[in-house]
Amino acid sequence: AQKITQTQPGMFVQEKEAVTLDCTYDTSDPSYGLFWYKQPSSGEMIFLIYQGSYDQQNATEGRYSLNFQKARKSANLVISASQLGDSAMYFCAMVSSSGGSYIPTFGRGTSLIVHP
Amino acid sequence: DGGITQSPKYLFRKEGQNVTLSCEQNLNHDAMYWYRQDPGQGLRLIYYSQIVNDFQKGDIAEGYSVSREKKESFPLTVTSAQKNPTAFYLCASSDRVGDYEQYFGPGTRLTVT
Repeated sequence: AQKITQTQPGMFVQEKEAVTLDCTYDTSDPSYGLFWYKQPSSGEMIFLIYQGSYDQQNATEGRYSLNFQKARKSANLVISASQLGDSAMYFCAMVSSSGGSYIPTFGRGTSLIVHP
Repeated sequence: DGGITQSPKYLFRKEGQNVTLSCEQNLNHDAMYWYRQDPGQGLRLIYYSQIVNDFQKGDIAEGYSVSREKKESFPLTVTSAQKNPTAFYLCASSDRVGDYEQYFGPGTRLTVT
């Protein structure tokens, strides 16, 4: 079975500073994908970034980067130069072939508040 | 514009009534999904469909039913058998099952009293 753990229920950051949101995962499948979604107060989920288990380099998408440490089974999201609009819930998720399906498993989320 | 629509945004029902949540996509995606989200929780998969006329149970399918008669549509029925139906329901689609990038609708907040 696959599992995603996000231990930070809430995080606060000052505008323009960087923030790291933690995510650890567990799977026995050697091939898997890790990704992050943002959920603003409106409720819609917005895809941010993806990392494959065999990717050699950490994924980056604009101000978002994924700090992938395979040995530690962690896939932390780093947001650089935080903006007020970054205030939202952030969900880490994983997809693997566990059980023969490729259905994503989501963590419980971290609430990020950006202060001016 | 391509995307996923869910209607209505807010839905109120009395206990004991069945209710159907709408989900439509015009992205030409084969795979569609229904998730449930409770406060302080992540998304939990209810049902998913890989292709028309086919669907599979997710982790919490009890008390729910779905149909996939058209590629664009994947309605979810919350039956009276669902013990705690009040939640936020999200529909998503992807090109195929397993694609990491799913496209989500705006969600339907269901309140049952």
